Amino acid sequence: SQTIHQWPATLVQPVGSPLSLECTVEGTSNPNLYWYRQAAGRGLQLLFYSVGIGQISSEVPQNLSASRPQDRQFILSSKKLLLSDSGFYLCAWRTDSYNSPLHFGNGTRLTVT
Amino acid sequence: EDQVTQSPEALRLQEGESSSLNCSYTVSGLRGLFWYRQDPGKGPEFLFTLYSAGEEKEKERLKATLTKKESFLHITAPKPEDSATYLCAVQARRNDYKLSFGAGTTVTVRA
Repeated sequence: SQTIHQWPATLVQPVGSPLSLECTVEGTSNPNLYWYRQAAGRGLQLLFYSVGIGQISSEVPQNLSASRPQDRQFILSSKKLLLSDSGFYLCAWRTDSYNSPLHFGNGTRLTVT
Repeated sequence: EDQVTQSPEALRLQEGESSSLNCSYTVSGLRGLFWYRQDPGKGPEFLFTLYSAGEEKEKERLKATLTKKESFLHITAPKPEDSATYLCAVQARRNDYKLSFGAGTTVTVRA
């Protein structure tokens, strides 16, 4: 069966520090991979998605970036965090079938201080 | 721009008191509508996919229905373990990769 791992679970970082969140998927090949951010009381905001190695689509231009160095690995990064980057970050995968559901990891709670 | 509006924002139920959650959507050509359950501090868990108006899906005490403008999630005789935030998302035909989510309905079921 397929599993998704996302870490760390919680992170407290000062303003201006770098960020690296990692997500890996097991049990499937060539998944579509996603990074979402969830703010309290608001819907999930799509940040990035990837349909293959090295292929990244950005939905919201900001000081975050994403990379996919391997088929089942997806990384969210920032060179300098802002207070507004605080939130709940969720990684998700789906098969490359266009009507398949997303399957989410358990998220990273990021607090920028 | 696809829009998904969920109501109510919060719902407090007594155990056994059935109710419905609403998801209204505006999308140019619906490819699929998805329901998720999210527990506090966890990622959303997939429940159902609905593809066309008139379609219904059931899972235990949950039943999802779809019309051309909205979807309902019916909770029949809820139990405290049904307490969670329920999220609705839509995918448009013009974009095979993007799901747009509503803000969710937080359901609390009291014993």
